[in-house]
Amino acid sequence: ETGVTQSPTHLIKTRGQQVTLRCSSQSGHNTVSWYQQALGQGPQFIFQYYREEENGRGNFPPRFSGLQFPNYSSELNVNALELDDSALYLCASSSNVGTDTQYFGPGTRLTVL
Amino acid sequence: RKEVEQDPGPFNVPEGATVAFNCTYSNSASQSFFWYRQDCRKEPKLLMSVYSSGNEDGRFTAQLNRASQYISLLIRDSKLSDSATYLCVVGRGGGGNKLTFGTGTQLKVEL
Repeated sequence: ETGVTQSPTHLIKTRGQQVTLRCSSQSGHNTVSWYQQALGQGPQFIFQYYREEENGRGNFPPRFSGLQFPNYSSELNVNALELDDSALYLCASSSNVGTDTQYFGPGTRLTVL
Repeated sequence: RKEVEQDPGPFNVPEGATVAFNCTYSNSASQSFFWYRQDCRKEPKLLMSVYSSGNEDGRFTAQLNRASQYISLLIRDSKLSDSATYLCVVGRGGGGNKLTFGTGTQLKVEL
């Protein structure tokens, strides 16, 4: 059974640029959630995707957007990067939308200069 | 007030000690409860779900008190490998919604 994978591992961008992060869910999992974890903080929920549609969103501005594909993989896009967007971005998958038990990928560490 | 509150620590304990972490949550509609473990610069890993009846997994015991909106984690016979940050996590149940994380409690187990 393949776990959650994310790419890239690390990324450095400058303020104002755009970034796309990718996630492949664990085998058999159809629901993907994205979280942002700033240094010294717990992860903060960005949004969840199920059946290729957004299914719940946290307190993040519209420049944070996402996609889910038919194979359940997902992308997180962030436009107009700001310095405060520097964080660990975590993807988590769950076996179905009716469960809160989520398994996390290794994350993408984004640095915005 | 934060939705999930934890003592950030650090808790520095000798190997073999028993250590307890506490957590409170503010949303009485919360339905699912978890403890995750996070090693430095790694992803959170599910340690255990938490039920009102209490549950035990080896050296780890978790307890939920819905009336007090309080969650606990007890680690017995601490090992060096238990050193990590422990995250208290609350969900609304039924999926489709976020997990809310505390800021984590750091544990350092020393020789």
